[in-house]
Amino acid sequence: QSALTQPASVSGSPGQSITISCTGTSSDVGGYDYVSWYRQYPGKAPKLMIYDVSKRPSGVSNRLSGSKSGNTASLTISGLQAEDEADYYCSSYTTSDTLVFGGGTKLTVL
Amino acid sequence: QVQLVESGGGVVQPGRSLRLSCAPSGFTFSYYAMHWVRQAPGKGLEWVAVISVDGSNNYYADSVKGRFTISRDNSKNTLHLQMNSLRTEDTAVYYCARDASGSGILDYWGQGTLVTVSS
Repeated sequence: QSALTQPASVSGSPGQSITISCTGTSSDVGGYDYVSWYRQYPGKAPKLMIYDVSKRPSGVSNRLSGSKSGNTASLTISGLQAEDEADYYCSSYTTSDTLVFGGGTKLTVL
Repeated sequence: QVQLVESGGGVVQPGRSLRLSCAPSGFTFSYYAMHWVRQAPGKGLEWVAVISVDGSNNYYADSVKGRFTISRDNSKNTLHLQMNSLRTEDTAVYYCARDASGSGILDYWGQGTLVTVSS
């Protein structure tokens, strides 16, 4: 049950686009299209932003998009805004019927 | 509206036990698998356990297997996490979360309850 690998931090200026990667194995990210992404503000509970690799829950901005290639999933945020500054976590269902999270990525909007 | 409210956190000595509860409202609890996820201070999210809709199937992270037990009472609308043989590394905020699909889509989360394991 090793954590998925995410960059510790990414940054971008308002209006720019950024991409956060999430690398696992064929037993998790590569094995299922069950990758989710969560946003977490300091002191708050996580919020679901993307599920099933690329689907957005109702109410989530279409500036966020998800994709997957092999064992690596990605979250792209376009048109960066100040409100996007937060921690982002990926997660994946696994072949052991468990869940695994990534280590988290701190997004800074410059 | 969907709400999840955790309770039962506190300060406990290493080796002792603690039982967390999660009270759901705003949805039919018995239709959904439920998870516990924890977050150590200043650290990332760590998945802890999942329980199926009827409680017949449970799965655990290796770090808690054999020490923690997830359970549910659909008649009383409650979810529990029994934590035994607690270690200092179990110190974290514990969240309960609803699984929208049975494949790990955590669409609603509680606000969390803090467990501190310290002598």
